[in-house]
Amino acid sequence: DIQVTQSPSSLSASVGDRVTITCRASQSISGYLNWYQQKPGKPPNLLIYAESTLQSGVPSRFSGSGSGTEFTLTISSLQPEDFATYYCQQTYSTPSLTFGGGTKVEIK
Amino acid sequence: QVQLQESGPGLVKPSETLSLTCAVSGSSFSNYYWAWIRQPPGKGLEWIGYIYYTGTTKYNPSLKSRVTMSVDTSKSQFSLKLSSVTAADTAVYYCARIYYYDSTGNYMDVWGKGTTVTVSS
Repeated sequence: DIQVTQSPSSLSASVGDRVTITCRASQSISGYLNWYQQKPGKPPNLLIYAESTLQSGVPSRFSGSGSGTEFTLTISSLQPEDFATYYCQQTYSTPSLTFGGGTKVEIK
Repeated sequence: QVQLQESGPGLVKPSETLSLTCAVSGSSFSNYYWAWIRQPPGKGLEWIGYIYYTGTTKYNPSLKSRVTMSVDTSKSQFSLKLSSVTAADTAVYYCARIYYYDSTGNYMDVWGKGTTVTVSS
């Protein structure tokens, strides 16, 4: 199975800050990497797929990049509604489409 | 509007079988894969597996020996059975629709609200 490691596991930031979350895969996943946002008591919501493609309706302050085994989710200017937990997921290797451990973004 | 709704017992006894169903509305049931994901209290997401409308399945190897998924196309619903449950299986269980954008890449674009299952005697 491909392992997916996210860092940091949590961070504190202020409104307007630029935030970066990293996801590392244990082997190359050819860009098959998704990012989800989850708020308390809600299911995850897709933000980005295929490493950098923004899902319809997602604000442009969210962006994704990466290559090979390292991927980044960037929030260019953190907004109050962005305080949540973020998960990456690899979809290159079945049967287990593994998630990263999550990054909780908290208010500083 | 596509909606997924999980249903099933909220309490299951240890060693018994957890059974959940996900009802799909507003979407074609065919030509999609359908997934189950769970989230233990205060923890991250765990992939359980998925099923195609034809009945083809793929399971997380760590759960494979205990998981069975099935589909009922006439009712536009799919189901999860997890046998020999323990307290470690206590979690919110989500069903989701999988969309493939190429032969390999996919994402879950529609999720159910989730249902809490507690394993306790």
